[in-house]
Amino acid sequence: GAGVSQSPSNKVTEKGKDVELRCDPISGHTALYWYRQSLGQGLEFLIYFQGNSAPDKSGLPSDRFSAERTGGSVSTLTIQRTQQEDSAVYLCASRFGSGHTEAFFGQGTRLTVV
Amino acid sequence: QQQVKQSPQSLIVQKGGIPIINCAYENTAFDYFPWYQQFPGKGPALLIAIRPDVSEKKEGRFTISFNKSAKQFSLHIMDSQPGDSATYFCAASRRDSGAGSYQLTFGKGTKLSVIP
Repeated sequence: GAGVSQSPSNKVTEKGKDVELRCDPISGHTALYWYRQSLGQGLEFLIYFQGNSAPDKSGLPSDRFSAERTGGSVSTLTIQRTQQEDSAVYLCASRFGSGHTEAFFGQGTRLTVV
Repeated sequence: QQQVKQSPQSLIVQKGGIPIINCAYENTAFDYFPWYQQFPGKGPALLIAIRPDVSEKKEGRFTISFNKSAKQFSLHIMDSQPGDSATYFCAASRRDSGAGSYQLTFGKGTKLSVIP
């Protein structure tokens, strides 16, 4: 694809439900990042993938959050037993993993937990 | 642990003014410093970037100043326009020797408003 694609663009879920957020990175980009952005706030790092492995998952806020990446491409961020404080925009970015290259962001998934 | 500290959190300037956004880092392993611009409802996009072997880089009205000894860098926007109103993020990148890949760390962001 032409850019990083995230789906769904908007998700409203009830408290306690599980949600899955999807990221399709740019083809050939080996590095993939997930960030969370609360209303009017900065980028909170969640997890970083290089290929299918996650060298840095230090930003995941609790064990309700998990992420995986398969085939060195699509990544899924799963939030179990969602809470209202999980409401935010979840952004995915990818970059070509070799060298200091530009990170390309998707438009994000706006998650609202009611 | 915040490795890149950004200030101010928000900034209001009049059209034609020169907003300045500052960032400081701690880890001397960082060796690439990009700035990203984010408009409402969009993901951040690369604006300009600098490597530590130069002290200044200009692209159009945007300038990065870099002070390696102080471990600080800043973004200046010359002749600012209302269309520059956005959130700006500084970032720092370093090679993760363990994974053989490149980590990217962002500051908290600065919301800039340029008043006509």
